[in-house]
Amino acid sequence: DQQVKQNSPSLSVQEGRISILNCDYTNSMFDYFLWYKKYPAEGPTFLISISSIKDKNEDGRFTVFLNKSAKHLSLHIVPSQPGDSAVYFCAASANFGNEKLTFGTGTRLTIIP
Amino acid sequence: KAGVTQTPRYLIKTRGQQVTLSCSPISGHRSVSWYQQTPGQGLQFLFEYFSETQRNKGNFPGRFSGRQFSNSRSEMNVSTLELGDSALYLCASSLGGARSGANVLTFGAGSRLTVL
Repeated sequence: DQQVKQNSPSLSVQEGRISILNCDYTNSMFDYFLWYKKYPAEGPTFLISISSIKDKNEDGRFTVFLNKSAKHLSLHIVPSQPGDSAVYFCAASANFGNEKLTFGTGTRLTIIP
Repeated sequence: KAGVTQTPRYLIKTRGQQVTLSCSPISGHRSVSWYQQTPGQGLQFLFEYFSETQRNKGNFPGRFSGRQFSNSRSEMNVSTLELGDSALYLCASSLGGARSGANVLTFGAGSRLTVL
């Protein structure tokens, strides 16, 4: 039972354009959402998060949008840079402050120079 | 400051053996979590330790166990290894308190286990 789904295994975007990565969840108890980026041979690195009391959170080139009614969140990267090429994981937790994260299967983003 | 350190980075075992993986968290972090990453499954939560106590547990069989020491270092053990246990095992640490950002995990590079 995949409670967090990333339906696009891969995405290619031209350098300088916007990258949009999507994530859907099914568990209504999730109240905190995070995005992690992973390079080969490294552990995932935290990018940005959002709590369920917000619908948008921005940090530099990265913006996360949360649509609670649709149980959908997205990560926007503007402008996309070659260094953004990595696997991006969406994660969710229930009971704010809980270290138990449920991850999606990841989307491999490739930025084309 | 030093990141999360996992040892060994790579190891090969045979079916039926057991393995112990080690994790040193970031200084000051009291929570250590373990995740298994396999192709197509993403990261799956194994367990989390806080102040030497298991606070959360995922849906893995009893062959998977862990512990945390008083200095917050953690080990996980897998007994009676099966071929399906081949995976990247990731350790993550966090402050562990119930406050904003407390559950933002910092991951180590992982221990890649191959079971033959």
